[in-house]
Amino acid sequence: QTVVTQEPSLTVSPGGTVTLTCASSTGAVTSGYYPNWFQQKPGQAPRALIYSTINKHSWTPARFSGSLLGGKAALTLSGVQPEDEAEYYCLLYYGGAYVFGTGTKVTVL
Amino acid sequence: EVQLVESGGGLEKPGGSLRLSCAASGLTFSNAWMSWVRQAPGMGLEWVGRIKSKTDGGTTDYAAPVKGRFTISRDDSKNTLYLQMNSLKTEDTAVYYCTSHYCTGAGCANIDYWGQGTLVTVSS
Repeated sequence: QTVVTQEPSLTVSPGGTVTLTCASSTGAVTSGYYPNWFQQKPGQAPRALIYSTINKHSWTPARFSGSLLGGKAALTLSGVQPEDEAEYYCLLYYGGAYVFGTGTKVTVL
Repeated sequence: EVQLVESGGGLEKPGGSLRLSCAASGLTFSNAWMSWVRQAPGMGLEWVGRIKSKTDGGTTDYAAPVKGRFTISRDDSKNTLYLQMNSLKTEDTAVYYCTSHYCTGAGCANIDYWGQGTLVTVSS
């Protein structure tokens, strides 16, 4: 069973920068896993932020960026705003099946 | 504006069946790959299954926990996606989201739009 692991929680100050990572139990994450990132606030449906590793959707704020870092997919929030406090999930594609990461709770404090 | 509206959730007993629907608008539904994603109370997201567009074969793939019990289908004439859930278990209790896939030249592996979800509770 494939497991995709994220940091359980991260805390960042307003205006600061934080990087979330997404690791696969099968080995290094590459662009071939089409990493996606989603934001979910309490009581709301998830919202897509990043697709195919680095690409932003038309509605994604510029302060969000995706990358590959040390064999993992990564999501960096730069110039964090209070409204960025949320749960963040990555999604990896395994050739017909998809697996979500365990989620990272980002607290802005 | 893309809208995905789920319906059909509710309370069902273990071993029972439910069919969820997802009405889509604002996108060319017949060309869209679609997935169902669920979220158990207080838990993370879990991909349930995906159906390709008929142009791309209309094939389905499922996550291991639901394979053989759940079936995804589509009616392109009604712009509607379905999830037939049989042999329900208490661990199927979750909010079920309908999602659409964003296709690029490299394929349709990305998910973009989400519905608001419908709650399925499996309990005796």
